[in-house]
Amino acid sequence: EAGVVQSPRYKIIEKKQPVAFWCNPISGHNTLYWYRQNLGQGPELLIRYENEEAVDDSQLPKDRFSAERLKGVDSTLKIQPAELGDSAVYLCASSLPGQGINGYTFGSGTRLTVV
Amino acid sequence: QKEVEQDPGPLSVPEGAIVSLNCTYSNSAFQYFMWYRQYSRKGPELLMYTYSSGNKEDGRFTAQVDKSSKYISLFIRDSQPSDSATYLCAMSLSNDYKLSFGAGTTVTVRA
Repeated sequence: EAGVVQSPRYKIIEKKQPVAFWCNPISGHNTLYWYRQNLGQGPELLIRYENEEAVDDSQLPKDRFSAERLKGVDSTLKIQPAELGDSAVYLCASSLPGQGINGYTFGSGTRLTVV
Repeated sequence: QKEVEQDPGPLSVPEGAIVSLNCTYSNSAFQYFMWYRQYSRKGPELLMYTYSSGNKEDGRFTAQVDKSSKYISLFIRDSQPSDSATYLCAMSLSNDYKLSFGAGTTVTVRA
């Protein structure tokens, strides 16, 4: 099993440019999460999907961030335009309904640097 | 004030020592308490989770939850250099909901 796959692993962009991150969850995992981890901090939830539906996006800064999960499998998180404060690691996680916390699996993340 | 506070560290201990990690929290509605280990450039991986108060042991790792004090701990016995990582506490209201993390404590075990 490949685990949760994220790409790219690293991204450096200039401020005001757009950027996108991609996540492929574990096969069969209906629930998908995007977290942001600032340097020296724990991850914070941005958005949670159940299949194609975003069931919790209350922490997503909607003025510049957007996300989609077409066909309930892969997901893309986009920032446009990026700001210096967006520099962080963006983590994707997935789980099976009913497995709950025990089945929560994180990817290795995309490290974004905005200069 | 953050919902979950974690002792900042870093901690550096000799091989074989006991490592003690602690977190406090403010939301008394938390029911699930987790410890994650995060190696450099990797995502967090679940070490242990506990429902409500009590102790749980898994090999060299022991997790303790005291809901009356809103305090959780993780103990690592006979620490090994391979235990060197950042340890994150996390909490959840239910079994399938968002996780609220502490800031993490970086542990180095010296050979």
